[in-house]
Amino acid sequence: GDSVTQMEGPVTLSEEAFLTINCTYTATGYPSLFWYVQYPGEGLQLLLKATKADDKGSNKGFEATYRKETTSFHLEKGSVQVSDSAVYFCALRGNQKVTFGTGTKLQVIP
Amino acid sequence: ETGVTQTPRHLVMGMTNKKSLKCEQHLGHNAMYWYKQSAKKPLELMFVYNFKEQTENNSVPSRFSPECPNSSHLFLHLHTLQPEDSALYLCASSQDYTPSTDTQYFGPGTRLTVL
Repeated sequence: GDSVTQMEGPVTLSEEAFLTINCTYTATGYPSLFWYVQYPGEGLQLLLKATKADDKGSNKGFEATYRKETTSFHLEKGSVQVSDSAVYFCALRGNQKVTFGTGTKLQVIP
Repeated sequence: ETGVTQTPRHLVMGMTNKKSLKCEQHLGHNAMYWYKQSAKKPLELMFVYNFKEQTENNSVPSRFSPECPNSSHLFLHLHTLQPEDSALYLCASSQDYTPSTDTQYFGPGTRLTVL
């Protein structure tokens, strides 16, 4: 079946550092790919998505590119802020349902 | 009120209790979902309702019983739970349940502790 693998956290960065959170997937067909963010005490919020190969999703300075050849959808941000501290989930929507990764906790320190 | 709301936000119950979780969406969506979020595990999809009809039940134990009286409301009835059922229970909704309308909107969750 479909699966999503994310890098294990927590990831701790200083403010203004560059962020990469790796995500790879296995799926049949051509899934849509997503990044969700969960701030403390809240539910998941859609951060960005891409629906076909080579598409780049972007939002709030975050971006991720749908790479079919490497089955990856890595999340990047050029300069993180303390307010970006949260748990980030990679997910895919295949033919049947949405499959989520385990989440990667990001902590940004001033 | 907008978005997806869940009540209660926190619930502590004994193994012999019966309780219910409530979810309400104000987005005009037709599909609603229950997920279980446990530490260090992927989000687990429990149930899906599309146009008030249950379309998925991912081998969830019968001590969890969903109810969807209309497209805006979703309940999860709990009885005879086990300590390992302690988790964050998330409700979500989407326009409907097809690959083309795949963005889900989540509520804040109910933190459940079973003693």
